[in-house]
Amino acid sequence: GDSVTQMEGPVTLSEEAFLTINCTYTATGYPSLFWYVQYPGEGLQLLLKATKADDKGSNKGFEATYRKETTSFHLEKGSVQVSDSAVYFCALRKTGSARQLTFGSGTQLTVLP
Amino acid sequence: ETGVTQTPRHLVMGMTNKKSLKCEQHLGHNAMYWYKQSAKKPLELMFVYNFKEQTENNSVPSRFSPECPNSSHLFLHLHTLQPEDSALYLCASSQEESQFFGPGTRLTVL
Repeated sequence: GDSVTQMEGPVTLSEEAFLTINCTYTATGYPSLFWYVQYPGEGLQLLLKATKADDKGSNKGFEATYRKETTSFHLEKGSVQVSDSAVYFCALRKTGSARQLTFGSGTQLTVLP
Repeated sequence: ETGVTQTPRHLVMGMTNKKSLKCEQHLGHNAMYWYKQSAKKPLELMFVYNFKEQTENNSVPSRFSPECPNSSHLFLHLHTLQPEDSALYLCASSQEESQFFGPGTRLTVL
């Protein structure tokens, strides 16, 4: 079945550091890929997405590129802020009629001032 | 404002109680979802409704009973829950690919 594997956290960085959170997936066909963010006490918010190979999703300084050859969708940000502290979830959705998202286990990010 | 609201935000109930969680979406979406988020576990999809019809039930125990009276409202009726059912219950809606989540209901079963 489909699965998403994220790097285990927690990840602790200093402000202005470079961020990478790894995400790899297993799926048949050509899934769409997503990153969601969950701030403390809140639900998940869509951060960015990519729907086909080589697409780059970007939002709020975060980027991720859909790499079919390595089945990866790593999240990056060049300079993190304290306000980026949250849990980040990678997810995939298969093409076709199914609406189900498959989520990774989440990566806790803490950014220190 | 995410467009998806959930009430209550926090709920404490005993194992013999009956309660309901409510979700409302203001986005005009035609699909709605219930997820369970437990500590240190991936999000678990519980139920999917598409145009008010249930299309997914991921082996959820019968003590959880969903109801979708229209495409804007989704309920999760709870009865005779167990302490291990304590979790954050998230509602989401979608029209195309992207799902939009509510803030969740933090449920504690004593």
